[in-house]
Amino acid sequence: AQSVSQHNHHVILSEAASLELGCNYSYGGTVNLFWYVQYPGQHLQLLLKYFSGDPLVKGIKGFEAEFIKSKFSFNLRKPSVQWSDTAEYFCAVIGGATNKLIFGTGTLLAVQP
Amino acid sequence: DTAVSQTPKYLVTQMGNDKSIKCEQNLGHDTMYWYKQDSKKFLKIMFSYNNKELIINETVPNRFSPKSPDKAHLNLHINSLELGDSAVYFCASSPWDRQNTEAFFGQGTRLTVV
Repeated sequence: AQSVSQHNHHVILSEAASLELGCNYSYGGTVNLFWYVQYPGQHLQLLLKYFSGDPLVKGIKGFEAEFIKSKFSFNLRKPSVQWSDTAEYFCAVIGGATNKLIFGTGTLLAVQP
Repeated sequence: DTAVSQTPKYLVTQMGNDKSIKCEQNLGHDTMYWYKQDSKKFLKIMFSYNNKELIINETVPNRFSPKSPDKAHLNLHINSLELGDSAVYFCASSPWDRQNTEAFFGQGTRLTVV
């Protein structure tokens, strides 16, 4: 069965600091990978996605993620965070024939001004 | 012109009641989902439908019954509500095509059982 793990549950950074959030998945077949963001009190919005091709994908708001197949990882990065990036970040994976979209447990990012 | 819309946005009800949450998408997607987000923000998939057919049914109490009258709608009916059902419920939809799949989420329904 597929699963997703996010190792950082709570991250606190100062503005302009660099960000890297870890995500590992377990599924042996072809996967589609996603990062979603949930701002306080809002619904989930897609940051970026990986289907195939270049393993380094760029998303909105300066975020990027790198798919490393050998490590089953899809870490999210941003070189310089802003206060407005304070939110919950979810890694997700789709694998298998049922298009089952599974989420990690989320990482709460708090950016201090 | 909201892509995925859920109603109601807030729902407060007493234990033992029966309630429904409605979801509609105007994106022409084939697949729709229901997720439960608990107080720790954990998102757990409950159900998934593809073209009105149930394809994913996780370990969810049978008090929860999804209904898909057509592929644009996926409603969630909950019988005999319990305190532990309090959560935010998100509806989502996506294309079935794996090369183009991306889930779009509704605004969520915050259910509070008292």
